[in-house]
Amino acid sequence: EIVMTQSPATLSVSPGERVTLSCRASESISSNLAWYQQKPDQAPRLLIFGASSRATGIPARFSGSGSGTEFTLTISSLQSEDFAVYYCQQYYNWPPLTFGGGTKVEIK
Amino acid sequence: QVHLVQSGAEVRQPGSSVTVSCKTSGGTFNTNAISWVRQAPGQGLEWMGGTIPVFGTTNYAQKFQDRLTITADDSTNTAYLELSNLGSDDTAIYYCARVTGPLESWGQGTPVTVSS
Repeated sequence: EIVMTQSPATLSVSPGERVTLSCRASESISSNLAWYQQKPDQAPRLLIFGASSRATGIPARFSGSGSGTEFTLTISSLQSEDFAVYYCQQYYNWPPLTFGGGTKVEIK
Repeated sequence: QVHLVQSGAEVRQPGSSVTVSCKTSGGTFNTNAISWVRQAPGQGLEWMGGTIPVFGTTNYAQKFQDRLTITADDSTNTAYLELSNLGSDDTAIYYCARVTGPLESWGQGTPVTVSS
């Protein structure tokens, strides 16, 4: 089973700041990585797939990068609606599909 | 765009079973891969298993192998999750999602509470 590790667990940020979230896979997953955003009492929403492709309707301030075992999600200028929990997930070798533990982006 | 609508909240006693449904619209149902993911209160996302109706295949996470059944009904475009022998640690929100590699579309979630 591929283990996904996210860091940090919590990030305190001011609106307008640039945010970088990290995700590491326990073995190479090529670019088979997705990022999700989850707000309170909502289902997760796909942001990024293929490590760097934005899903339909996702603003350009969200970008993903990386391949192999190291991945990054960047929010170029944090908006109020971006405060949420972000999860990475690999789909290179499954079952099982595996998720990282999440990074909570909170208001500083 | 595939839309997924799940059945409503459930309350069950320990040791019982629960069935959650996930009706899809848009796209071709039997070519959709559907996965089930759960989220315990205050916790992260946990993949439970999934099915690809067109291939007739179903996969389960090892920890649920003995008590999870995932099925699909082509005639109603609906996928089902049945979890048996419930314990308090099965209290969670259960989500279905369409899999196209990533989990592209998600249902709204079904809260399941296990309590005596």
